Amino acid sequence: QVQLQESGPGLVKPSQTLSLTCTVSGASLSSGTHYWSWIRHHPGKGLEWLGYISYRGYTYYNPSRQSRVTISVDTSKNQFSLKLSFMTAADSAVYYCARTLQVERRATGGWDYYFDSWGQGTLVTVSS
Amino acid sequence: DVQMTQSPSSLSASVGDRITIACRASQSISNYLNWYQHKPAKAPKLLIYGASTLQSGVPSRFSGSGSGTDFTLTISSLQPEDFATYYCQHSYNTPFTFGQGTRLEIK
Repeated sequence: QVQLQESGPGLVKPSQTLSLTCTVSGASLSSGTHYWSWIRHHPGKGLEWLGYISYRGYTYYNPSRQSRVTISVDTSKNQFSLKLSFMTAADSAVYYCARTLQVERRATGGWDYYFDSWGQGTLVTVSS
Repeated sequence: DVQMTQSPSSLSASVGDRITIACRASQSISNYLNWYQHKPAKAPKLLIYGASTLQSGVPSRFSGSGSGTDFTLTISSLQPEDFATYYCQHSYNTPFTFGQGTRLEIK
């Protein structure tokens, strides 16, 4: 059973860069069928997908955050990481890492993407 | 970006009730629609993908339907463990976006 665990600071000062790491167990990041995503949940609001990375390092970022987001992977440690620069109070949220399955629809040729395993989440507060 | 809108935003129901949560996309997304259950301080859980395919291990009282812009999640007979917040999410294109959530509370 795949398990994901986020780690990183719970408190970040404004303008600083947030660095979070997701450690994966029970599955290899080197699997070609998976992507690895970061998602956040603002208090009282919905979920926001920040982006994903493949084991080869291919990334896609949410255009609304693209200028501040960097996702990287370390297959030797079975970890992937998030950096979010120029943090403000609006970035205070619970941050989740999640495995993203990419499944081909053979009948139509399309692709399904869904988050089938999530970490427990880590609360990040931006405050001086 | 495709905007996802859920209704209602909150819902009170009793154990044994049948409930339906709606999710509407701002444009047609075929059936590239997933549903998640989220309980406080826990990892969100995938319930349904492809609008109607039940994820392995999810009880059969959960079902999903819809195509195009309108989708529904139905719980046929609420159990105590079902009280949570539910989110829809599209995967028609990137960026993937979620609905704002429907909080299901005990009446």
